[in-house]
Amino acid sequence: KQEVTQIPAALSVPEGENLVLNCSFTDSAIYNLQWFRQDPGKGLTSLLLIQSSQREQTSGRLNASLDKSSGRSTLYIAASQPGDSATYLCAPRGYALNFGKGTSLLVTP
Amino acid sequence: DTAVSQTPKYLVTQMGNDKSIKCEQNLGHDTMYWYKQDSKKFLKIMFSYNNKELIINETVPNRFSPKSPDKAHLNLHINSLELGDSAVYFCASSQDSTGNQPQHFGDGTRLSIL
Repeated sequence: KQEVTQIPAALSVPEGENLVLNCSFTDSAIYNLQWFRQDPGKGLTSLLLIQSSQREQTSGRLNASLDKSSGRSTLYIAASQPGDSATYLCAPRGYALNFGKGTSLLVTP
Repeated sequence: DTAVSQTPKYLVTQMGNDKSIKCEQNLGHDTMYWYKQDSKKFLKIMFSYNNKELIINETVPNRFSPKSPDKAHLNLHINSLELGDSAVYFCASSQDSTGNQPQHFGDGTRLSIL
């Protein structure tokens, strides 16, 4: 059974800082890994998807890496902004997406 | 132009009632999903349909019955609601079931059982 752990559980930083969010998973037999953000009372917004054969993906200020063999992924956020405040969820995909509990991020002006 | 839409957004009802949640996607995707997010914020897969056929059925009480009238719709019917059913239910879709495509989520339906 896939278990997903996200560290830290919560993070508060001043605007402009670069951040790293960590995700680890126990079963490396995955098709891909998807990072989402969830705003309060809202659904999930897909940020990045890394295929199992890839090492990283970039979208704007976001960069996600994947080390499938060691069961790790990181999400790097450059030059954080208050609008980045949300919960970030990591979800490796086996036969279904398996979610961690997320990292709750607060970026203060 | 909402991609994955769920109705209702909020549902408050009493124990023992039967209720349905509807989901529609206009992305032309073949595969749809239902997830449950409990009070501890864990998101777990419940069901998945591909072209109207059930392909994933997790250990979910049989009071929960998904129905897919066509590949753009996946509804969730819940019989004899219990207190433990209180949660946020999310619908999602993906282009196919291969596992190579991203999943797109609706805004969720917050179900509260009194």
